[in-house]
Amino acid sequence: KQEVTQIPAALSVPEGENLVLNCSFTDSAIYNLQWFRQDPGKGLTSLLLIQSSQREQTSGRLNASLDKSSGRSTLYIAASQPGDSATYLCAVKVDALNFGKGTSLLVTP
Amino acid sequence: NAGVTQTPKFRILKIGQSMTLQCAQDMNHNYMYWYRQDPGMGLKLIYYSVGAGITDKGEVPNGYNVSRSTTEDFPLRLELAAPSQTSVYFCASSYDGRGLYEQYFGPGTRLTVT
Repeated sequence: KQEVTQIPAALSVPEGENLVLNCSFTDSAIYNLQWFRQDPGKGLTSLLLIQSSQREQTSGRLNASLDKSSGRSTLYIAASQPGDSATYLCAVKVDALNFGKGTSLLVTP
Repeated sequence: NAGVTQTPKFRILKIGQSMTLQCAQDMNHNYMYWYRQDPGMGLKLIYYSVGAGITDKGEVPNGYNVSRSTTEDFPLRLELAAPSQTSVYFCASSYDGRGLYEQYFGPGTRLTVT
């Protein structure tokens, strides 16, 4: 069974810092990996989708990498802002999306 | 383009009551999904559908039923609600099932069973 782990569970950084969120998964036979953002009491917003054949994807200040052989992905956020405060979820697609428990990020002014 | 919509936003049920959570998408997606999210936990798949008339169980289907009579709608039925079904329910849709395209999520329904 695919297990997805996200470290750290919570993170607090001052505004302007660059930061890295980590995601690991146990089975490398995946179709893709997707990073989501979830604001309190809201649904999930897709940030980046990396296909299994790709190594990374970029969108604005976000960069996600995928190392399928080692079962790892990182989400890099450059020049963090208070508006980045949210929970970030990693999910890997096998038959269905398998989600980690998320990293709760707080960016303080 | 409304994306994925869910109703209601909130609901309180008494033990043993039944209800239907509504989900609709206007993106002409074939694949639709129902997840539940418990506090501090990742999302778990309840049921999914690969097209009108076709549904299948996910990881946690017990206590739920679904139907898919149209491409747009994918309602989730709770029969005989139990406190263990207190959760936030998310509906999602995608164009394909192989992961070439993203899954899009609705805003969620927060359900409390007392």
